[in-house]
Amino acid sequence: GNSVTQMEGPVTLSEEAFLTINCTYTATGYPSLFWYVQYPGEGLQLLLKATKADDKGSNKGFEATYRKETTSFHLEKGSVQVSDSAVYFCALPTGTSYGKLTFGQGTILTVHP
Amino acid sequence: DAGVTQSPTHLIKTRGQQVTLRCSPKSGHDTVSWYQQALGQGPQFIFQYYEEEERQRGNFPDRFSGHQFPNYSSELNVNALLLGDSALYLCASSLAQGVGETQYFGPGTRLLVL
Repeated sequence: GNSVTQMEGPVTLSEEAFLTINCTYTATGYPSLFWYVQYPGEGLQLLLKATKADDKGSNKGFEATYRKETTSFHLEKGSVQVSDSAVYFCALPTGTSYGKLTFGQGTILTVHP
Repeated sequence: DAGVTQSPTHLIKTRGQQVTLRCSPKSGHDTVSWYQQALGQGPQFIFQYYEEEERQRGNFPDRFSGHQFPNYSSELNVNALLLGDSALYLCASSLAQGVGETQYFGPGTRLLVL
């Protein structure tokens, strides 16, 4: 079945540093790919998504490009802020029906002033 | 536009008890999925409800059951609670239009089993 692998964390950065969180996937066909973010003590929020190969999803300064050649969907941000401190999850649909998501293990990001 | 809401926010139970968690989907959504997120882990799919029926299920025992009401809201029931059931339970709603349809998550219910 479909699966995702995220880079091992945690990631600690200084404010305004460049961020990359790696995500690679294994899938049948070309499913949509998602990044979700979880702030401390909260549920998951959709950060961005891409629905087909070569698509770039973007939101709040974050970007990720759906690359079928490398089966990757790496999350990037040019200049992180303290408020970006959270856990980031890569996800894709799995199963035979709708809406069942498989998540990566999550990457904890801490940004210091 | 109200997003996904869940109740209660926190719950403490003892082993062997039963618990019911509730979810109201985002306005206009007809499909509800439940996930369990253990501490430090990614969410794990429990099951999904559409048209008041369980449409697919993850690798969870029969102690986990659910229900969907005509207004699309949903309940998750867990019987004979174990310590290992302590987790954040997340509800997600979506439209039943495709495998890639975006899931919108609620804030979760944090369950502690003592």
